[in-house]
Amino acid sequence: EDQVTQSPEALRLQEGESSSLNCSYTVSGLRGLFWYRQDPGKGPEFLFTLYSAGEEKEKERLKATLTKKESFLHITAPKPEDSATYLCAVQAYAGNNRKLIWGLGTSLAVNP
Amino acid sequence: EAQVTQNPRYLITVTGKKLTVTCSQNMNHEYMSWYRQDPGLGLRQIYYSMNVEVTDKGDVPEGYKVSRKEKRNFPLILESPSPNQTSLYFCASRGSGRSQETQYFGPGTRLLVL
Repeated sequence: EDQVTQSPEALRLQEGESSSLNCSYTVSGLRGLFWYRQDPGKGPEFLFTLYSAGEEKEKERLKATLTKKESFLHITAPKPEDSATYLCAVQAYAGNNRKLIWGLGTSLAVNP
Repeated sequence: EAQVTQNPRYLITVTGKKLTVTCSQNMNHEYMSWYRQDPGLGLRQIYYSMNVEVTDKGDVPEGYKVSRKEKRNFPLILESPSPNQTSLYFCASRGSGRSQETQYFGPGTRLLVL
């Protein structure tokens, strides 16, 4: 069964304290892996798409990496405004829907 | 500005009173979908549409209907809402082709069914 698991569920960091969020997945044929940021009560906001193992993408303090079994979202020197829930989703080669399979997210709190 | 809009943003209703949540996108996207988000369950797909007049069930379609008469609009209809449909709803859209796999989400509609 296709599955996405994110860890940890929650993470509290001090401002400037770098860390990584994990997204492990099992899918029958990966078409793409997506990272989103979600603020409370708002829609998910797209961050990155990764397509193949070894691929990396960066945006400001965020860097996403991908292996054949998992992805990491590295947060370097986070600021309080990075506080949000970070969602991971994978898209598999499966029929016409090509729907996203979502993890439950990691809730990140960055203290000033 | 490229965006997905939803209305209303907040809605309180009573059991059995039909309601419609509208969704519109201005990116000429072919694919649109509806999700609900519940604590501990994450985002679950309700219905999706590959193009005009083409819709299909997602993972949790019971109690919902959709229509796609125009490319930009994808309304979600609750014919007879029940309390277990209290949730946060999101509409999303994306283009076709590998370079357009990114889904863009609306701001959400928070629904409370009493």
